[in-house]
Amino acid sequence: AQSVTQPDIHITVSEGASLELRCNYSYGATPYLFWYVQSPGQGLQLLLKYFSGDTLVQGIKGFEAEFKRSQSSFNLRKPSVHWSDAAEYFCAVVSDSNYQLIWGAGTKLIIKP
Amino acid sequence: EAEVAQSPRYKITEKSQAVAFWCDPISGHATLYWYRQILGQGPELLVQFQDESVVDDSQLPKDRFSAERLKGVDSTLKIQPAELGDSAMYLCASSPRTGDTEAFFGQGTRLTVV
Repeated sequence: AQSVTQPDIHITVSEGASLELRCNYSYGATPYLFWYVQSPGQGLQLLLKYFSGDTLVQGIKGFEAEFKRSQSSFNLRKPSVHWSDAAEYFCAVVSDSNYQLIWGAGTKLIIKP
Repeated sequence: EAEVAQSPRYKITEKSQAVAFWCDPISGHATLYWYRQILGQGPELLVQFQDESVVDDSQLPKDRFSAERLKGVDSTLKIQPAELGDSAMYLCASSPRTGDTEAFFGQGTRLTVV
């Protein structure tokens, strides 16, 4: 069965520092991949998505992600984090059997002042 | 900007009581999803509608949960009777059509069963 792994449950970075959140997926063909962000007590907001084409994808709020087929990864990056980026981040892949989203467990981002 | 509307935002109920959540998807979106999200975990799909029809409810605990989308627009998710383990965030999402995999989420309903 397809799966998504986010190895880091929590990540703490200082404000202004760079960020990389890891996501690994299991899939045979080129997947459809997403990153969503969830602020405390809120719903999920789409940050970016990858379907095909350029493997470096730009999203909202200054985030980007790079699809690396050889590593089965879709890591999320931001060059300089802001306190408002503190949230939980979810990676998801589309199931090839029913087109539903398969979710990672999430990574909670904590920002140090 | 069009949004998925959910109500209530918060609900506290006693176990064995009935509770209902409402969702109004983005206008024109044919596909509607209900997810349950336990604190610290990713969302779990409960039910998927295409217009008024259920596409997938394999993960819906049908002995106590029910969902409907009678006119293919807004939707209601009901739990009867509620159990302590049902405490979670219930998220509604919609997308323009099946296979269009970008889903737009509402703010969610936080359910606490006491």
